[in-house]
Amino acid sequence: DTEVTQTPKHLVMGMTNKKSLKCEQHMGHRAMYWYKQKAKKPPELMFVYSYEKLSINESVPSRFSPECPNSSLLNLHLHALQPEDSALYLCASRQERATTNTGELFFGEGSRLTVL
Amino acid sequence: GQQLNQSPQSMFIQEGEDVSMNCTSSSIFNTWLWYKQEPGEGPVLLIALYKAGELTSNGRLTAQFGITRKDSFLNISASIPSDVGIYFCAGQRRGGSEKLVFGKGTKLTVNP
Repeated sequence: DTEVTQTPKHLVMGMTNKKSLKCEQHMGHRAMYWYKQKAKKPPELMFVYSYEKLSINESVPSRFSPECPNSSLLNLHLHALQPEDSALYLCASRQERATTNTGELFFGEGSRLTVL
Repeated sequence: GQQLNQSPQSMFIQEGEDVSMNCTSSSIFNTWLWYKQEPGEGPVLLIALYKAGELTSNGRLTAQFGITRKDSFLNISASIPSDVGIYFCAGQRRGGSEKLVFGKGTKLTVNP
């Protein structure tokens, strides 16, 4: 069982809707990630938060807005999405240390998003 | 972005057979990870490798960190139907930040 919990598991939204995806981890990890995954493709990095600060934004359109309220929570706010944004959205976390990075990324089960 | 060269792209095998897949890169990596993903689920970490030449097992799975730091392989012995899924390799480049580079995946089908 994954220790990274994502809700909702499925989401259907129209192009004018505003919705949010939520992610929670209680492993004490200080780095949290959002990935987008299309069918039969590897995950594509969207955002990275390190110690609750946004450290990487992979040129993601502004209709995706990440938020990290605290070290255990990560949200992805969605607004005015396009049908091509339909995908599996994966949250992940990783332990970070001052001197070494373990590299092990733990994924949640994902939120399947369909944009109509 | 950069991707690792993962092969084969897909495999169709009989239950009980052994499986081997690998990832190669032109860049040096200091961490190799192997994930399995089943339909509708997130990737699950199988094995993590941190040292060149390291050979690590997890049940019927064995993975190795290539001595050149530019490749890794994953072997599955005596495959069973529940081994079905897509296997991804992922690497963190030497001196890299939080980014992982993923292979394109190997889709494994096991016939009972």
